[in-house]
Amino acid sequence: DTAVSQTPKYLVTQMGNDKSIKCEQNLGHDTMYWYKQDSKKFLKIMFSYNNKELIINETVPNRFSPKSPDKAHLNLHINSLELGDSAVYFCASSSSGRSTDTQYFGPGTRLTVL
Amino acid sequence: GDSVTQMEGPVTLSEEACLTINCTYTATGYPSLFWYVQYPGEGLQLLLKATKADDKGSNKGFEATYRKETTSFHLEKGSVQVSDSAVYFCALCQGAQKLVFGQGTRLTINP
Repeated sequence: DTAVSQTPKYLVTQMGNDKSIKCEQNLGHDTMYWYKQDSKKFLKIMFSYNNKELIINETVPNRFSPKSPDKAHLNLHINSLELGDSAVYFCASSSSGRSTDTQYFGPGTRLTVL
Repeated sequence: GDSVTQMEGPVTLSEEACLTINCTYTATGYPSLFWYVQYPGEGLQLLLKATKADDKGSNKGFEATYRKETTSFHLEKGSVQVSDSAVYFCALCQGAQKLVFGQGTRLTINP
């Protein structure tokens, strides 16, 4: 009974391709997030959704498009992949999006663009 | 904008040594503060948190105290184990409800 799950765990693809990463949480949380971890382990917020509504869009190229079909899912679609998109992408969720809430992270998706 | 600065790593210690990983922050308001841990090949797990000044978070023998006067949230453990080897991230959250992370500190404990 994984709390926050992501698929796939690994994704290897060519430059220019389009790919999607899926995220699901079974915690009943209202808020979900995407973070990017670069090769130096630095983590940065990309997006957050609260009740399927986009709350944070952190100057991410518009090749990245999040979609939240319902509160339990937040998917990330990436068009025209570039070498610099190679990273580990983490999905997270929190109960209400308050600053005091704990965010629960998925296991990550390692994207490699060749 | 808000930021978090952590002690540069990597840190290598022997088992049973004392650990301190320094963390300071810059924020306009009163953020909540967190330590997350990332074990090899895994996602991040919350280690501990503190949501207001002078609060002490603790878990698994680790402690950190929210010091508003020094804008710090240093992570401490009295006796580390090999299983504590991981990357540790200090983070803050306020207002915009996004976690702002430090650069991470890689900790290796040798038997």
